[in-house]
Order: sequence, then structure tokens, then C-alpha cells
Amino acid sequence: NAGVMQNPRHLVRRRGQEARLRCSPMKGHSHVYWYRQLPEEGLKFMVYLQKENIIDESGMPKERFSAEFPKEGPSILRIQQVVRGDSAAYFCASSSTQGDYNEQFFGPGTRLTVL
Amino acid sequence: KNQVEQSPQSLIILEGKNCTLQCNYTVSPFSNLRWYKQDTGRGPVSLTIMTFSENTKSNGRYTATLDADTKQSSLHITASQLSDSASYICVVSAGSSASKIIFGSGTRLSIRP
Repeated sequence: NAGVMQNPRHLVRRRGQEARLRCSPMKGHSHVYWYRQLPEEGLKFMVYLQKENIIDESGMPKERFSAEFPKEGPSILRIQQVVRGDSAAYFCASSSTQGDYNEQFFGPGTRLTVL
Repeated sequence: KNQVEQSPQSLIILEGKNCTLQCNYTVSPFSNLRWYKQDTGRGPVSLTIMTFSENTKSNGRYTATLDADTKQSSLHITASQLSDSASYICVVSAGSSASKIIFGSGTRLSIRP
């Protein structure tokens, strides 16, 4: 049973380009969470999705960022017109249900570098 | 403002020694507190979870304590091993909403042979 998969592991983009980050949750998990981690800082919640639905996007910037979790395929975090400040590690986590005590399992992260 | 602060920021100890990492939080309402281990280049992995009524939880050589009155938690590592070198992250939940999960910035622990 593979864990949470993220790809690519490293992504380099020039300012103004688009970045697409993919996350495949653990088998049987229907809840996906995206976090951003800046150097020397803690993970910051961005968005929580279930299949085909965005449940909570309160941590995601209103512009340039979007996320989806289609019925088939991985969850996608999309960043349009990237800027240098978008450089960070983006982690995806999944859980089987949503709730206080349900453990989130994290992927290895995608490290985005914007030149 | 909901915050989780960890100390020290980094720590170096010799293999075989014990150490204690600290976490102070100002999260309200409090739901639960987790400690995660994050190896370099990897995602965090849960070590322990404690609710309001629990004041200690062990997982092998890792023992977490919680004082809900003073809003402090500690993670004690016994007989450290080289593989314990990692960042240790304190995470506090202020309810069931995903956006109410607050991550500390972590303590970077290095174990020297």
C-alpha cells in the first residue's frame, strides 16, 4: 500500500510561468490537504478537498492559486504566473475521514523554485 | 491569535544521550496536540497525539507530555540514535476544521556519533 505520492519532487519555474503540483492520496483516502512550508517556518494550511469538492480554501491566496481533486486522478495544486515569493515546499496530506483525531499522512513534498 | 512556539530552534546532542524539546501554544479552543518527526526531504510523520485529558503518551523511545493548564508540551527522546536526526514539529488543533490546525516551526535535532 503505497503512501501519499507527490510529483514532481523538484520543480523550477521562471517568473510568470505556471506550476502544477500533483498529489495522489493513499489508497482508500478521499480527503486531501495542501500545505506550504517556507524556509525556517512551520507548515501553513492552504486548502482541504474531498473528491470533486473544495471544502475549505481559507488558507489559499485568492489570486493565482487554485486546487482540484477530480473524480479520477490526482489532486492538482496550480499556481499561475509564479513569483519568487512562491518558492517553497508544498506538502500534500491525505486522510480516510475528516475530524480531530483522524491522522493525516503526508507526502514527500514538492520543492518549487522560482527563478 | 493562535500560535505554536517551539524551543530550542536547533539542538545537537551525542548519540545515546537524552533530550527534551518544548512546545508552548496559545491555541483556543484546544482539541488535540500532535508531535511529528520530519526527516530531511520527507513529509512529517505522526509520533504521538494527546487530547485535553491526557498528560503523557509514549511511542517507543519518544514520550510526550501535555500540561493543558499552562499550555505546554514536551517531547522527550531517550537513548538517542543517529536516525533520530530530524525536525520535530508540534501541531495543535483548535477544532475539527482543517484550517484550525496550527504547526510549530519545529526543532531541528542533530545526533552526533
